[in-house]
Amino acid sequence: GAGVSQTPSNKVTEKGKYVELRCDPISGHTALYWYRQSLGQGPEFLIYFQGTGAADDSGLPNDRFFAVRPEGSVSTLKIQRTERGDSAVYLCASSRTPPGELFFGEGSRLTVL
Amino acid sequence: KQEVTQIPAALSVPEGENLVLNCSFTDSAIYNLQWFRQDPGKGLTSLLLIQSSQREQTSGRLNASLDKSSGRSTLYIAASQPGDSATYLCAGIPQGGSEKLVFGKGTKLTVNP
Repeated sequence: GAGVSQTPSNKVTEKGKYVELRCDPISGHTALYWYRQSLGQGPEFLIYFQGTGAADDSGLPNDRFFAVRPEGSVSTLKIQRTERGDSAVYLCASSRTPPGELFFGEGSRLTVL
Repeated sequence: KQEVTQIPAALSVPEGENLVLNCSFTDSAIYNLQWFRQDPGKGLTSLLLIQSSQREQTSGRLNASLDKSSGRSTLYIAASQPGDSATYLCAGIPQGGSEKLVFGKGTKLTVNP
């Protein structure tokens, strides 16, 4: 498709489980961003990739969160030992070249029971 | 740390009114500024991007401006329509740092028919 694609759109898991969220950016976009949005708040930065490397991971809250982008296209956000506080909408965005216009996907809503 | 304030938090207007949404940054050194629209349960849709060399952008009934001396931006919506009802978010990339957007909490707009 033409836009940023995120899967799954919804994920319900139990506390302590492992979760993977996938992002497929717009073709040709070199920069990819992960954000997290809680209810009533603006998106909060997690990590930014330029190509295959993480250019800035300062927003990852702790070492349970990890993200990869092995071929410079699709990215996976991985959350280990999930906690109820991880429940949020995880948004992915891409841009052709940074700093440029960011285009967001529809998000993955994560609920940890 | 850059913080973004959006005023008002919520706004309800009758159809046809012109309206202004405000956004301000604690650090006025903004490189890029982007306005987004978010519908309930959806991702973010990019509305306007003001790049580093620009002060203003227009798209249809929308006009955004950025005063770099004060770190304030406004989004002007002309002749509002019920379909404009959504949450509007502003976000900026601080100068001299990472390429990450910092978001406000948004203004929830309701346009009544």
